[in-house]
Amino acid sequence: DADVTQTPRNRITKTGKRIMLECSQTKGHDRMYWYRQDPGLGLRLIYYSFDVKDINKGEISDGYSVSRQAQAKFSLSLESAIPNQTALYFCATSDFRGLQETQYFGPGTRLLVL
Amino acid sequence: RKEVEQDPGPFNVPEGATVAFNCTYSNSASQSFFWYRQDCRKEPKLLMSVYSSGNEDGRFTAQLNRASQYISLLIRDSKLSDSATYLCVVNSNSGYALNFGKGTSLLVTP
Repeated sequence: DADVTQTPRNRITKTGKRIMLECSQTKGHDRMYWYRQDPGLGLRLIYYSFDVKDINKGEISDGYSVSRQAQAKFSLSLESAIPNQTALYFCATSDFRGLQETQYFGPGTRLLVL
Repeated sequence: RKEVEQDPGPFNVPEGATVAFNCTYSNSASQSFFWYRQDCRKEPKLLMSVYSSGNEDGRFTAQLNRASQYISLLIRDSKLSDSATYLCVVNSNSGYALNFGKGTSLLVTP
């Protein structure tokens, strides 16, 4: 079984709809992240959480919100989806050991906003 | 200046060739450096960490040059399966997250 899972894997929605992307991990890591990836722009950080009570905005948080329901679960919501939120979304967890932080990514969610 | 910059490529090389990628970073205080590999439409996966003294893992060698603020990845004896995008990753200014380069695309041809 995969250590980091994302649901759904693919989603098509319409402008103005609220949608939620879910992420679960079995790695026991405290740190979790949400990124989006667009062609030519690379990975950009949306939100990150260092533990259940600690949530922080990343580089591009506008239009998004998150919820850390438990150590193992971190959800990303688009309150009112718009077409430029069409992207590939990745959840990641990390094992932080001093300066060496390895991130483990989920398989991604492909989102299309019409 | 972007925090992490890479030549997007693509680098097209024949099987068996040696290929090198460079990456520059802007934050002189950065302490953690990595190369990740991303296959088409898949998630990024850690290829190797980059240590100050340089390190090798099989056909892959990573080097760090702090004075010039660049990181390199050398791939020897390229295989078809090495075809992928290689992401240079550096810890961010505040240390709380990682900054990913946009990636360098490699295509190894028969």
